[in-house]
Amino acid sequence: GNSVTQMEGPVTLSEEAFLTINCTYTATGYPSLFWYVQYPGEGLQLLLKATKADDKGSNKGFEATYRKETTSFHLEKGSVQVSDSAVYFCALNTGFQKLVFGTGTRLLVSP
Amino acid sequence: GAVVSQHPSRVICKSGTSVKIECRSLDFQATTMFWYRQFPKQSLMLMATSNEGSKATYEQGVEKDKFLINHASLTLSTLTVTSAHPEDSSFYICSASLQGVAKNIQYFGAGTRLSVL
Repeated sequence: GNSVTQMEGPVTLSEEAFLTINCTYTATGYPSLFWYVQYPGEGLQLLLKATKADDKGSNKGFEATYRKETTSFHLEKGSVQVSDSAVYFCALNTGFQKLVFGTGTRLLVSP
Repeated sequence: GAVVSQHPSRVICKSGTSVKIECRSLDFQATTMFWYRQFPKQSLMLMATSNEGSKATYEQGVEKDKFLINHASLTLSTLTVTSAHPEDSSFYICSASLQGVAKNIQYFGAGTRLSVL
C-alpha cells in the first residue's frame, strides 16, 4: 500500500540554523508529493509540491526534491526563523485524489 | 485564490446533541471535498470523501450514520456529528480539490475544534 514515513520530532533549532526534515514514501505508480504546514490551531497550508521525479518544489525559502531512486522528498531550509515553528506534514497522492499523510514533524525554532 | 472556509472554528456542545460543520470553497468550484479528523499531536485521518450530488464514501471504521456528510453544491459540504459524545471531541478539517488539471491538490480549511461535554 501507499505510505509516508517522516522523522519523529520535535526538531529543535536556533534561529538561522539549517533545517532538514526527512520524508520517504512507498507508493504504487507515480505519486505527486507534497509538504503541508500547520501552524498552531489552524488547518493545513500547502507549502510546496512536486509531481514527477527530479522536480524541485520551493516556497518561502523551503525546498524539496522528488528523488525517485531513494523514494524521498526531504524538506530543507537554509536559515529558519522563529515564525517557521509549526508542524510539517509530508504527503503523497497517486492520482486518485486521496492524500496519504505522514505523522507530521514538529519544528521548534528559538531566538 | 483557492480559499476554503470552514465554520465554526470552535464549538462546545452537550453530550447527545448534534453539531453541523460547514466547509465552503470561496473562489472555486470543488468537485470533491474531504473530511479529516486529527487527534492531538497526530496526523490527519481521512474520514470520508464527498462528491457533489452523490453519497459520500467513508473510510473503513468511520460510522456513516454518526458522521453525516452532505455535498449539495460545488461550493458547500457539511459534516454533521450526530448524538455527539465526549469521544467525538477532536479537530475536524475539511479540504477541497479543484476541477481540472490541478485536481490532485487539496486546499484545507482552518479546522473546527469540537468539544463535547
